[in-house]
Amino acid sequence: GQQLNQSPQSMFIQEGEDVSMNCTSSSIFNTWLWYKQDPGEGPVLLIALYKAGELTSNGRLTAQFGITRKDSFLNISASIPSDVGIYFCAGRPSGTYKYIFGTGTRLKVLA
Amino acid sequence: GAGVSQSPRYKVAKRGQDVALRCDPISGHVSLFWYQQALGQGPEFLTYFQNEAQLDKSGLPSDRFFAERPEGSVSTLKIQRTQQEDSAVYLCASSLQGSLSETQYFGPGTRLLVL
Repeated sequence: GQQLNQSPQSMFIQEGEDVSMNCTSSSIFNTWLWYKQDPGEGPVLLIALYKAGELTSNGRLTAQFGITRKDSFLNISASIPSDVGIYFCAGRPSGTYKYIFGTGTRLKVLA
Repeated sequence: GAGVSQSPRYKVAKRGQDVALRCDPISGHVSLFWYQQALGQGPEFLTYFQNEAQLDKSGLPSDRFFAERPEGSVSTLKIQRTQQEDSAVYLCASSLQGSLSETQYFGPGTRLLVL
């Protein structure tokens, strides 16, 4: 099935560093979501974006809905060990209810 | 309830066996989604319900997969004559109203292993 391009696929960072990941699509989306998934659990919603150009923060997390409506990025500032996990972007095409997910970014934080 | 719940959490099935996976959405949530997540991949859409109506089943991989939500709350995903390629995590998600701006909240998933 269709999945969005998400990069990087994985990254190791030192505690305290900032992290950036992005997601691109060949299609226009009306909504972008960012999720974090821990092993053995379902994805947990981090940030939701509904307008092109929108920049939204949730604590140390900041995400933006690209102005072309074909991309989004997520930044994590001052990473901590509990940030480890898999981060997924998800976009919803216009006129549909379903979300298409990215391939995931696996984040590991070194203390 | 406080969140989306799914049962069983783990299921081991022999190839050819039928399985039924249950989802209890957040109370009052109109919309319900089923996703399939293969190992190392992101979730892939299977089907969508608004109340008891199945509005989109375009993601169901074959006619062995069937989903229902007869009373607009609990949903069951049934897989007939399971195959090894059906091994995956099956995630259920719900959202409040079903409008295009609603976000989805996921359950913990059912991990299905077909031997």
